[in-house]
Amino acid sequence: ETGVTQSPTHLIKTRGQQVTLRCSSQSGHNTVSWYQQALGQGPQFIFQYYREEENGRGNFPPRFSGLQFPNYSSELNVNALELDDSALYLCASSLAGQGEETQYFGPGTRLLVL
Amino acid sequence: AQSVTQLGSHVSVSEGALVLLRCNYSSSVPPYLFWYVQYPNQGLQLLLKYTTGATLVKGINGFEAEFKKSETSFHLTKPSAHMSDAAEYFCAVSDLGGKLIFGQGTELSVKP
Repeated sequence: ETGVTQSPTHLIKTRGQQVTLRCSSQSGHNTVSWYQQALGQGPQFIFQYYREEENGRGNFPPRFSGLQFPNYSSELNVNALELDDSALYLCASSLAGQGEETQYFGPGTRLLVL
Repeated sequence: AQSVTQLGSHVSVSEGALVLLRCNYSSSVPPYLFWYVQYPNQGLQLLLKYTTGATLVKGINGFEAEFKKSETSFHLTKPSAHMSDAAEYFCAVSDLGGKLIFGQGTELSVKP
């Protein structure tokens, strides 16, 4: 059983650029959630994807968008990068319909915006 | 709205001593509660979870937590700390939609 994987591991961008982060869900899982973890903070929920559709969104602006593919992998896209977007971006996968839907996290992508 | 408060951003214990990390939650529905651990430059690893049933939950690496509804608490304990337990610990509550709401985290240091 493969766990959640994310790519790239690190990324440096400049303000105003766009970035795409990728996540492969754990084998057998059908739901992907994305979180932003600023330095010294707990993770903050960005959004969740289930069956290729957004299934809940946190308090993030529309320039944060995502996709889920038929194989349940997912992308997080951030447009018009701002300095405050510098953070660790975590992807978590789960299996919907199982009641408690425990989320299993990948290693994260660390994004630095200069 | 749901929320999580972790009391103490930093806890330091001696090796072999009791570990107690405090978590209080607010939820309008029966909560699902989780503890995750984060080692430096890594993602989150699930330590344990409470959904329904037995209120004392055992997890990996000798950790356990007790759900106390009357106190809205879910404190994490380990009888004897090991150097390898040094990490950041996050308590989280899940809403019905599966969104996790995390506390600010508690950094655990273990002194030899």
